[in-house]
Amino acid sequence: NAGVTQTPKFQVLKTGQSMTLQCAQDMNHEYMSWYRQDPGMGLRLIHYSVGAGITDQGEVPNGYNVSRSTTEDFPLRLLSAAPSQTSVYFCASSFTGEVGKLFFGSGTQLSVL
Amino acid sequence: SQQGEEDPQALSIQEGENATMNCSYKTSINNLQWYRQNSGRGLVHLILIRSNEREKHSGRLRVTLDTSKKSSSLLITASRAADTASYFCATDAGRGSTLGRLYFGRGTQLTVWP
Repeated sequence: NAGVTQTPKFQVLKTGQSMTLQCAQDMNHEYMSWYRQDPGMGLRLIHYSVGAGITDQGEVPNGYNVSRSTTEDFPLRLLSAAPSQTSVYFCASSFTGEVGKLFFGSGTQLSVL
Repeated sequence: SQQGEEDPQALSIQEGENATMNCSYKTSINNLQWYRQNSGRGLVHLILIRSNEREKHSGRLRVTLDTSKKSSSLLITASRAADTASYFCATDAGRGSTLGRLYFGRGTQLTVWP
């Protein structure tokens, strides 16, 4: 099993550009989520999903969209990138019965200039 | 905010010593988890302790939970250089909380010197 796969690993955007961060898992997990990690801030939940077709907002959802058309994939879209979105983004998944036991991807380092 | 807070922010010890990290949180919880993050990598789940448990062990890890004080501690015994990493606690928001909403602390950076 590959686990949780995130692409790309690094990305540089200009302010106003849009892009999609990809996340895929092959563990048949119902629950998937996106976090951002900023220095000194810990991880903050952006959006999450408890199953295909179901998404909800986390702590910091503004400027991001998600969709969940399949169990495996949970892409994160930046609509109009801003410098404040410079961060490291992590996708995580788990079975809904054990949401605490998250499996994380290796992260995407995003810089917005 | 329900966010947990780890203490200390940084800890530096010699190999073979024990490392203790603490986590405090603000509201009731269903469970609390500890994760490790090596530099430049994703987080790895270490251990989960439920609100009705007081202590849990996994190899060299020992986690305690005191719900009356809203605090938890992670003890790593006989530390190794490979234990060098950041350690995070994560909580939910307790009974009635929305499934899937987890709150992470800012982490403790542990450095173990050979």
